[in-house]
Amino acid sequence: GQSLEQPSEVTAVEGAIVQINCTYQTSGFYGLSWYQQHDGGAPTFLSYNGLDGLEETGRFSSFLSRSDSYGYLFLQELQMKDSASYFCAVQTGGFKTIFGAGTRLFVKA
Amino acid sequence: DVKVTQSSRYLVKRTGEKVFLECVQDMDHENMFWYRQDPGLGLRLIYFSYDVKMKEKGDIPEGYSVSREKKERFSLILESASTNQTSMYLCASSPNAGTGGDTDTQYFGPGTRLTVL
Repeated sequence: GQSLEQPSEVTAVEGAIVQINCTYQTSGFYGLSWYQQHDGGAPTFLSYNGLDGLEETGRFSSFLSRSDSYGYLFLQELQMKDSASYFCAVQTGGFKTIFGAGTRLFVKA
Repeated sequence: DVKVTQSSRYLVKRTGEKVFLECVQDMDHENMFWYRQDPGLGLRLIYFSYDVKMKEKGDIPEGYSVSREKKERFSLILESASTNQTSMYLCASSPNAGTGGDTDTQYFGPGTRLTVL
């Protein structure tokens, strides 16, 4: 079967850094995306990795290793507003994207 | 900005009722998707459409059907609602051909929380 594994919860302190890991096992792979979802809100796109390496967008970075079927989302200078759920998602081709179960990030003061 | 709207934020229906969830996007996207979101299970794909009148089953299509008569509108239909269909339903759209890349980014609507009693 196809699966994406990510931790269910992560807690960090305001101003600190946090890394959310994602390992995947899918029949096809075109790229790994990350989405953020605040309570009661819609998922919104954060980043995309199609090739190995690091992509940086402001305080957020995302990394992919295709050979290890592994990626992570890295958040720096955490703010209270970063408290949300974060989903990794694999584009498997044929218009389909498979989502992980999500990691709930709690940022404490 | 891409805008995806859903007809209701909250809906309460009775077992056996026929339920229509409507989704409209305003960015001329080719692809539209229906997911359900349940705690601990993430987003699971119900159906998607890559063109008008075209539809494909996702991972959990049982008990659902869809309709796409116009490019901007994608409807999810629960033919006979059951209590196990109580969930958050999310509609999404994306612009491109399903071959990966930023253009496969999905844009989500606000969701409809459906309760079936």
